[in-house]
Amino acid sequence: DAGITQSPRHKVTETGTPVTLRCHQTENHRYMYWYRQDPGHGLRLIHYSYGVKDTDKGEVSDGYSVSRSKTEDFLLTLESATSSQTSVYFCAISEAGLGTTDTQYFGPGTRLTVL
Amino acid sequence: KQEVTQIPAALSVPEGENLVLNCSFTDSAIYNLQWFRQDPGKGLTSLLLIQSSQREQTSGRLNASLDKSSGRSTLYIAASQPGDSATYLCAVRPFSNAGNNRKLIWGLGTSLAVNP
Repeated sequence: DAGITQSPRHKVTETGTPVTLRCHQTENHRYMYWYRQDPGHGLRLIHYSYGVKDTDKGEVSDGYSVSRSKTEDFLLTLESATSSQTSVYFCAISEAGLGTTDTQYFGPGTRLTVL
Repeated sequence: KQEVTQIPAALSVPEGENLVLNCSFTDSAIYNLQWFRQDPGKGLTSLLLIQSSQREQTSGRLNASLDKSSGRSTLYIAASQPGDSATYLCAVRPFSNAGNNRKLIWGLGTSLAVNP
């Protein structure tokens, strides 16, 4: 299994509070992604990173920000959590360069509940 | 706009049956197509990736085919086992997502139950 960890694995928070989720990889892969997964909507990309300090928006980026100051860490911040952000959040990574593929490797997920 | 559809949404089969899961996409201009497995409460596991120049990929009892012209991929599971019970998702990377844009377009998945 690819070395991807997410923390925390479970979190309950209140509406209006900021929340930061962490994704840590030991694979030295260039690309990192944050997804949310909800029943009926499947997987939706929030933000992704193509290098240190290089990030771009996905399809559901409103209310979320990201940072990547080191290759191994990709942080997702909910600036002011809302109940609509209750979801399961997955981090994924993929390689870049000759001889690599676009295969994405996923972390175990973080279950976030916003009350 | 690329769309990915997986039908049926759910499938229940007896153990030992050979089965086919379907994935269709609306635009044939893709770099590749991936199949993933997700067990309940877990993350996704990559099963197979087929490049646009390839027709199929095999791993153990799994065989994935790609027909770009018809916008279809199938995942064939031979001699199914209860341990194959999971949700299977497919995703494509369209040509429009080039360079550093590695975004995938996802299907909603097929939930498979293999009954002993």
